[in-house]
Amino acid sequence: GAGVSQTPSNKVTEKGKYVELRCDPISGHTALYWYRQSLGQGPEFLIYFQGTGAADDSGLPNDRFFAVRPEGSVSTLKIQRTERGDSAVYLCASSLQGLAANDYEQYFGPGTRLTVT
Amino acid sequence: AQSVAQPEDQVNVAEGNPLTVKCTYSVSGNPYLFWYVQYPNRGLQFLLKYITGDNLVKGSYGFEAEFNKSQTSFHLKKPSALVSDSALYFCAAPGSGAGSYQLTFGKGTKLSVIP
Repeated sequence: GAGVSQTPSNKVTEKGKYVELRCDPISGHTALYWYRQSLGQGPEFLIYFQGTGAADDSGLPNDRFFAVRPEGSVSTLKIQRTERGDSAVYLCASSLQGLAANDYEQYFGPGTRLTVT
Repeated sequence: AQSVAQPEDQVNVAEGNPLTVKCTYSVSGNPYLFWYVQYPNRGLQFLLKYITGDNLVKGSYGFEAEFNKSQTSFHLKKPSALVSDSALYFCAAPGSGAGSYQLTFGKGTKLSVIP
């Protein structure tokens, strides 16, 4: 079946601009996660959705970052007033349930490479 | 806090030789540990996980990992490396308590298999 898809694959934007990154999870997966991967680092947790609600947004670095999942499927990560330090690969993952990561594997999308110039 | 560490940034191995990618962990309670692989321009792919039971866990693509409680390690292994195994490998552990759905990743180890 189809895996997690993310669009765009690459996004170049100017400092100060607004960007939206989209994630389409595997059908039937109720849990959705966003991670950020900086160069030379492992992915870092940003936010987790269970259904439509953000169950934990503690990983969002500041209030310029926001994510939504209005219908419990597709999610959009929104970044306002982008800064050069936001440049990274943004990864989306989904799983059957999000009660505990040790119970259900997270399936990752290919990521969106964001470059802020 | 749950954490994992990958002490090697890069591992080089000749094709056909056995490979090991190292991971150590620091977790409270029973450890749950994962290995993921990342190929260029592709997302992370799940390889295997340790929950409980046998210390030797078998996963995808011929990989296996050995859980060693006394050494707090979870090294990834393969008996005979392929050139196509060249990729970035990440060890990961879930958080604890309310954050147990989050994965905490190591920095990654770049594996290069030389023909």
